[in-house]
Amino acid sequence: GAVVSQHPSWVICKSGTSVKIECRSLDFQATTMFWYRQFPKQSLMLMATSNEGSKATYEQGVEKDKFLINHASLTLSTLTVTSAHPEDSSFYICSGGSGREQYFGPGTRLTVT
Amino acid sequence: QQQVKQSPQSLIVQKGGISIINCAYENTAFDYFPWYQQFPGKGPALLIAIRPDVSEKKEGRFTISFNKSAKQFSLHIMDSQPGDSATYFCAASRGSSGGTPLVFGKGTRLSVIA
Repeated sequence: GAVVSQHPSWVICKSGTSVKIECRSLDFQATTMFWYRQFPKQSLMLMATSNEGSKATYEQGVEKDKFLINHASLTLSTLTVTSAHPEDSSFYICSGGSGREQYFGPGTRLTVT
Repeated sequence: QQQVKQSPQSLIVQKGGISIINCAYENTAFDYFPWYQQFPGKGPALLIAIRPDVSEKKEGRFTISFNKSAKQFSLHIMDSQPGDSATYFCAASRGSSGGTPLVFGKGTRLSVIA
């Protein structure tokens, strides 16, 4: 299957600071990438759909000014959590589509102290 | 509104046994049904997927059974092994490309015991 990487794999930041998470498709081009959030022992919750060269589409209830998404190229999408708070602590996972399949990154564990 | 309902929430199977996880969907526009396996602290990995034009798909020890009229599909893991212990998610999507988001079930935590 296709490979998606994320960086960093885990990050700890202080409340009020911003954190950027990178998602790269390593061996395919992804016109569309998706960002998910997952709380412990729960399913994946779609946050936004990111299309290369255009603005992201956010799911209802997701603050677009807090979770900034940029899809600069066919292989890179970034998620920036601005002014992070402890309630933003979660596991963030991106995915990229190749044909009908979606391939997920390994996830980024964000802890806000 | 939960569009994909998954059961059971957790499952314990003896080594060598068959693990069966079921999913039901509501949206008849869904036309792609993948299963993902997730280990703790890792991203989901695509296991196997099926389209509604076939009733069964098998890859190694993993089989998807699909019942279009009942709007149900299931994952069967034959000869279950302790290494299969993970959380399994069914999902569904519609559309013709990877640009359509997946709708996930709530997941099933599988434990395979020796």
